[in-house]
Amino acid sequence: ELKVEQNPLFLSMQEGKNYTIYCNYSTTSDRLYWYRQDPGKSLESLFVLLSNGAVKQEGRLMASLDTKARLSTLHITAAVHDLSATYFCAVFGGSNYKLTFGKGTLLTVNP
Amino acid sequence: DAGITQSPRHKVTETGTPVTLRCHQTENHRYMYWYRQDPGHGLRLIHYSYGVKDTDKGEVSDGYSVSRSKTEDFLLTLESATSSQTSVYFCAISVEVQPGNDGYTFGSGTRLTVV
Repeated sequence: ELKVEQNPLFLSMQEGKNYTIYCNYSTTSDRLYWYRQDPGKSLESLFVLLSNGAVKQEGRLMASLDTKARLSTLHITAAVHDLSATYFCAVFGGSNYKLTFGKGTLLTVNP
Repeated sequence: DAGITQSPRHKVTETGTPVTLRCHQTENHRYMYWYRQDPGHGLRLIHYSYGVKDTDKGEVSDGYSVSRSKTEDFLLTLESATSSQTSVYFCAISVEVQPGNDGYTFGSGTRLTVV
């Protein structure tokens, strides 16, 4: 059974600071996704990582994938309040295109 | 969300009553999914479908059934609602994975309260 673990689950940071969210998964997979969810809203796709060593960046967020270590990171650079949200990583495992999600990281960026 | 609609958006129901949630897509995708989202648990898969009349269970399927008689509609039924089924339910569709593809597209969610 595929397990996906995110840490930290709660992250409170100041504007302007840097931090990293980690996503570990338990079985081999070469497809990993990051989603963002604002309170009361649906999930919005942020990044798709489809191979070992993949790196994607958009604005202050950068995601990377190390399939050998079964680890993805979401790095936040110079955080701003607008980045406050819950971030999920999700991994494809097994057949039939099933995504398994981590529990999410609630990010709060304080002025 | 483009191409995927959930209904109703909000519902309050009484314990023991059956409830059906609907997910409708306009993009003819083969794969459809129902997840529930609860604090501390993230999103957990209830059931999924890989074609008309082809469905299978996810990790939290007890107390739920699904049907897919048409490509565009995937129905989730709570056979006899219980308070533990109070949750936010998300439907998702999956395109065949291609480089650059974003995997799943999610509906707006249905907030269900069982009293």
